[in-house]
Amino acid sequence: DSGVTQTPKHLITATGQRVTLRCSPRSGDLSVYWYQQSLDQGLQFLIQYYNGEERAKGNILERFSAQQFPDLHSELNLSSLELGDSALYFCASSPSVPPYNEQFFGPGTRLTVL
Amino acid sequence: DAKTTQPNSMESNEEEPVHLPCNHSTISGTDYIHWYRQLPSQGPEYVIHGLTSNVNNRMASLAIAEDRKSSTLILHRATLRDAAVYYCILINPLRGAGSYQLTFGKGTKLSVIP
Repeated sequence: DSGVTQTPKHLITATGQRVTLRCSPRSGDLSVYWYQQSLDQGLQFLIQYYNGEERAKGNILERFSAQQFPDLHSELNLSSLELGDSALYFCASSPSVPPYNEQFFGPGTRLTVL
Repeated sequence: DAKTTQPNSMESNEEEPVHLPCNHSTISGTDYIHWYRQLPSQGPEYVIHGLTSNVNNRMASLAIAEDRKSSTLILHRATLRDAAVYYCILINPLRGAGSYQLTFGKGTKLSVIP
C-alpha cells in the first residue's frame, strides 16, 4: 500500500459525458501527478501540481483539467469523453518536485467510455 | 527532450542476477535517471534513481556508464515477484515549471522463470 488513494476504482460512462477522478496523496506529500495508461500508448504523464499550483504539463488534452485543493487532494476532470479516453488513470504523490524524490503511485481508476 | 530506449522484453531464471539495460544517448548533464517498475494490475513502483555515480538500495543497483549515455538496472537475485515491466526515465530539474517531461515509454517486460 503506497498511501495514495484514488476513487473511484472503476468508472463506466458514455461518450460526451464528464467525469471527475479523485486522488488523496500520502500524508505530507506536496506534489501530485496524474498519468494516463492505455494499451497502445503506455504510461503518459498528464500534469503535476505542487502545493496547489500547477508545475508541469505533459500530454494533457484541452478537454482534461485538474486542480489541487488546499488540503492537497487533487481532482482530474475529463469532459466530452471519447472512446479513446478509456484507460487506467494513475495518481502519484511525492514530498517535493522531481527529480529528487520518488513518486508513490495509487492503485488507479479504470475508466471505460462506451 | 532526451529519450530512453529499452528492450521490449527479457527473461531470467529465478535466483539469478538480471541486468536491465537502458540507452539514453541524448541525455543532458542535469538529467536524473529514474527506474520504476509496474507489477501486473498495480500502479508503478519506484525502484532507484541516480545522476552520475552508481547507486545501491535494498531493491536493486543502478550502474551508470561513465559518459552517462546508458545505464543498467541490476537485480541481484531475481524472484518471481520481480516479474514486471521496468521503466527507465529521465527527469531534468532545471527546466523550470511547466517544461520538464516525465515520459515512461513502453519499458522492458521482465519474465522470471522458476
